[in-house]
Amino acid sequence: GAVVSQHPSWVICKSGTSVKIECRSLDFQATTMFWYRQFPKQSLMLMATSNEGSKATYEQGVEKDKFLINHASLTLSTLTVTSAHPEDSSFYICSARDSGRGEQYFGPGTRLTVT
Amino acid sequence: AQSVAQPEDQVNVAEGNPLTVKCTYSVSGNPYLFWYVQYPNRGLQFLLKYITGDNLVKGSYGFEAEFNKSQTSFHLKKPSALVSDSALYFCAVRDMSGGSYIPTFGRGTSLIVHP
Repeated sequence: GAVVSQHPSWVICKSGTSVKIECRSLDFQATTMFWYRQFPKQSLMLMATSNEGSKATYEQGVEKDKFLINHASLTLSTLTVTSAHPEDSSFYICSARDSGRGEQYFGPGTRLTVT
Repeated sequence: AQSVAQPEDQVNVAEGNPLTVKCTYSVSGNPYLFWYVQYPNRGLQFLLKYITGDNLVKGSYGFEAEFNKSQTSFHLKKPSALVSDSALYFCAVRDMSGGSYIPTFGRGTSLIVHP
């Protein structure tokens, strides 16, 4: 089946630093990728939709200057949390849409802890 | 507009008993419905989906779901629960006529199967 990987799986960083999370579709091309944020015991909150080669579309209330998204190729999207603060600590999940089959597949998630 | 509701935060069931996790939806057109499971610190795993056809959909790990158009429901079921089924379950809906391929997720239901 289709596989989406995320790296790193967990990261601890100091307040004020930036962290980059990678999302890769391993065996299919993904023109569209999605970034979600999940708080403990809560549902997924869509942060942004990224299309390969163009600017990401951010959901209302999500700061695009803080959460930088780049989708430079059909198999890779990155989310950079800039100047991280403790309130950015969360579980970030990416998802990739298979351009051919139209299905959406999820990555395993990245646990970010900002100290 | 599309929305989905999972009325139960938590479902408790004894091992070997049947389980049901409830989901109701609202869409303008025809629904495209999904169930996903999430284990601790993991991304979402696809269980099953309904697009059209038979109202009873069979999925992974012995799960099935029944689409009921009149009640706008898509409850997840399993005839005999296992302790290993304990996880967080998400229902999602996409409006097939809306032109958007972004699903809306429910808030999740924690399933606890007791030995």
